[in-house]
Amino acid sequence: GQQLNQSPQSMFIQEGEDVSMNCTSSSIFNTWLWYKQDPGEGPVLLIALYKAGELTSNGRLTAQFGITRKDSFLNISASIPSDVGIYFCAVKIQGAQKLVFGQGTRLTINP
Amino acid sequence: GAGVSQSPRYKVTKRGQDVTLRCDPISSHATLYWYQQALGQGPEFLTYFNYEAQPDKSGLPSDRFSAERPEGSISTLTIQRTEQRDSAMYRCASSAGRLVRSETQYFGPGTRLLVL
Repeated sequence: GQQLNQSPQSMFIQEGEDVSMNCTSSSIFNTWLWYKQDPGEGPVLLIALYKAGELTSNGRLTAQFGITRKDSFLNISASIPSDVGIYFCAVKIQGAQKLVFGQGTRLTINP
Repeated sequence: GAGVSQSPRYKVTKRGQDVTLRCDPISSHATLYWYQQALGQGPEFLTYFNYEAQPDKSGLPSDRFSAERPEGSISTLTIQRTEQRDSAMYRCASSAGRLVRSETQYFGPGTRLLVL
């Protein structure tokens, strides 16, 4: 089945640093999504990408949809304590009402 | 409601028992999804409903798993004869059901199931 590979699996950074994580697939997908999961909560959509090469920002977050449609990256600038959590990439399966998720990148911030 | 709610939040059961998990979607949402999330992994699709219809249950791991949404609103996920490998977080999500690519799924807080 489809599989998304996220890297790194975990990150330990200092407050104020920039963060970069990515997600790759062996298959082509036309919709890429980035979610954040806080402890005790469900995933919340951060950014959605619909066009190859598209670069989209949401505040300090920037995400890009790879030109090959097989990858995406998420950047967080000037990290703050509330950025702590697990970040998941996901793709929408064409013709099906379901999402496939990566295994997540766990972000920890040292104040 | 304001968001997706699930109950119970935690469930501990003994192997072989049946369990039923409940999901209350956002009240205006037509589409409801169930996902299973193992520790350290992302959610994995189980099944979904459009109102009361269940077009895709391809992700259900075995025939011990079943889901219902009889009136097109609240849904239940039932696991019969639970096994230890069923221990996981079970998440429900809902969406407006407009079938457009910008459709957003809103997730509930999940039910953590532990099978002893």
